[in-house]
Amino acid sequence: SQQGEEDPQALSIQEGENATMNCSYKTSINNLQWYRQNSGRGLVHLILIRSNEREKHSGRLRVTLDTSKKSSSLLITASRAADTASYFCATEANQGGKLIFGQGTELSVKP
Amino acid sequence: DAGVIQSPRHEVTEMGQEVTLRCKPISGHDYLFWYRQTMMRGLELLIYFNNNVPIDDSGMPEDRFSAKMPNASFSTLKIQPSEPRDSAVYFCASSLNTAQPQHFGDGTRLSIL
Repeated sequence: SQQGEEDPQALSIQEGENATMNCSYKTSINNLQWYRQNSGRGLVHLILIRSNEREKHSGRLRVTLDTSKKSSSLLITASRAADTASYFCATEANQGGKLIFGQGTELSVKP
Repeated sequence: DAGVIQSPRHEVTEMGQEVTLRCKPISGHDYLFWYRQTMMRGLELLIYFNNNVPIDDSGMPEDRFSAKMPNASFSTLKIQPSEPRDSAVYFCASSLNTAQPQHFGDGTRLSIL
């Protein structure tokens, strides 16, 4: 069963706009990670946020984590056509060891 | 630095045949993961290894699937006999430890006719 559920399933925006993707999960976690997948390629790690952190930034990416609501969001600011990809959240449960991936959000950024 | 290397990139075979997928993890990574990705089920963890030892194979669909890691630089995922429902993209990933990001290969796109 999937731990993470993402919303929306698909998002289409214009270049320069911000994109926000949300992830909800069910059990207590050690950390939550976001990955990007371009068509036909493997997943690429974007950012990791630990359970004791609330917000983290990396370039144009901003991730928040609310452990009381068991949810996270990924914000991409000033989007570019090259940001077009699928974005996945993944959680490492307290038992450790493995990541459980959500179904992903398909982002399309139109030039 | 070379990333995770998977081979073949594409495999098309007839049902009933044996299929072997290969993975070379990043040197120094102690963890290796095998995933399967389909439109219907998303990305599923099949099995993972720590220091060449299988830790959790609860995601392996059935006995037709087997995975080995004979040494730190090589792993195989075998399907015997293959069935059309095994068609998917299979990914291998490695990481230093479970608290670190996973690095994915570009996958093997498997089609069973």
